[in-house]
Amino acid sequence: KNEVEQSPQNLTAQEGEFITINCSYSVGISALHWLQQHPGGGIVSLFMLSSGKKKHGRLIATINIQEKHSSLHITASHPRDSAVYICAVRRGAQKLVFGQGTRLTINP
Amino acid sequence: NAGVMQNPRHLVRRRGQEARLRCSPVKGHSHVYWYRQLPEEGLKFMVYLQKENIIDESGMPKERFSAEFPKEGPSILRIQQVVRGDSAAYFCASSPQSGTSYEQYFGPGTRLTVT
Repeated sequence: KNEVEQSPQNLTAQEGEFITINCSYSVGISALHWLQQHPGGGIVSLFMLSSGKKKHGRLIATINIQEKHSSLHITASHPRDSAVYICAVRRGAQKLVFGQGTRLTINP
Repeated sequence: NAGVMQNPRHLVRRRGQEARLRCSPVKGHSHVYWYRQLPEEGLKFMVYLQKENIIDESGMPKERFSAEFPKEGPSILRIQQVVRGDSAAYFCASSPQSGTSYEQYFGPGTRLTVT
């Protein structure tokens, strides 16, 4: 079993829909990251969380340390949000362990 | 402000050749990480370096792979005698210091194809 599990693996939605991507982990962590990878593949860091909730524009990330669970939400989704979203947990000071990613497609 | 730079962006090597991948961290960052993304797989940690020191190489294959981050110049990931299974995207990230308060900033990646 992977240390970091994401669901769903693939998600297709219509423009404007509210999107939720989930991440569960099985190990102790010092922080959790949400990353975005577009086709052709550069990686952008969206959030780094160790507790609570963060919001940036239409993106919201939450984490429940007791439940070992995090969610990434996208409000008013748009085709340009189509990408792979990756959850990564930080073990110790620096090492990141990644989920398999969620491929999101937003249709116009 | 330049972000993390990686070059080349695409690299084609024949089996048995050497591949050298370069990573220039964000200016002022002294911590560099290398990750590998095999086709249809998730990212995997390879190595964590500070200037002139390897801190954690627990994700590096035992043979043919090496990494350095000299006092001057970029970090280099070197793969000797490449095989088809080395074909992957290799990402570098940097941070200003160690510790959980600091984000890692990713480069655009180098896509290595071994023919």
